[in-house]
Amino acid sequence: DTGVSQDPRHKITKRGQNVTFRCDPISEHNRLYWYRQTLGQGPEFLTYFQNEAQLEKSRLLSDRFSAERPKGSFSTLEIQRTEQGDSAMYLCASSSTQGNGQTQYFGPGTRLLVL
Amino acid sequence: AQKITQTQPGMFVQEKEAVTLDCTYDTSDPSYGLFWYKQPSSGEMIFLIYQGSYDQQNATEGRYSLNFQKARKSANLVISASQLGDSAMYFCAMREPSGGFKTIFGAGTRLFVKA
Repeated sequence: DTGVSQDPRHKITKRGQNVTFRCDPISEHNRLYWYRQTLGQGPEFLTYFQNEAQLEKSRLLSDRFSAERPKGSFSTLEIQRTEQGDSAMYLCASSSTQGNGQTQYFGPGTRLLVL
Repeated sequence: AQKITQTQPGMFVQEKEAVTLDCTYDTSDPSYGLFWYKQPSSGEMIFLIYQGSYDQQNATEGRYSLNFQKARKSANLVISASQLGDSAMYFCAMREPSGGFKTIFGAGTRLFVKA
């Protein structure tokens, strides 16, 4: 069990460019979540997958944001036409239906800076 | 609507002493889960402890215990025998299964452990 991994760990981009982040959940976890965290705040929920199905999206997820989990394993989060307000830490988490079925385990995050 | 309140932006504690981090929540759902996470300066969210709304006993995990007072809607984290490595941000979070799959986080408390 290697935990949740995210790539890249840091990304600097210019306004208007597209960026894509990857998340690899814990291997036996079928639930995957994306969050955004800005400085001094707690994480805010963006979207949730169960296997390959995207079951919930926050209103924070504008039409410039898209997330996929095509084979029910890794997931990608793409931001198109980035804006300076997109600068944040993007966190991925996964959970299992076993145990309490609720505890989410987080990856190290991708820190995005839009210039 | 779900809400998590952490009223202590920062806390100081002497090494080897106990400290309590406050968390209150608001929900109308009888079924919910409460979590505490630790976020060191590296950015990764580390799961500490979970309390289900129907659990009769307060949750404990090593030096962490959750003081769950359901009638008062509070879920305070108690860290015993503080260590220098406990210096970090601490987030209280809640999930209501009937509210979907998102987890709501508080604004966090920054804990400083003094030698």
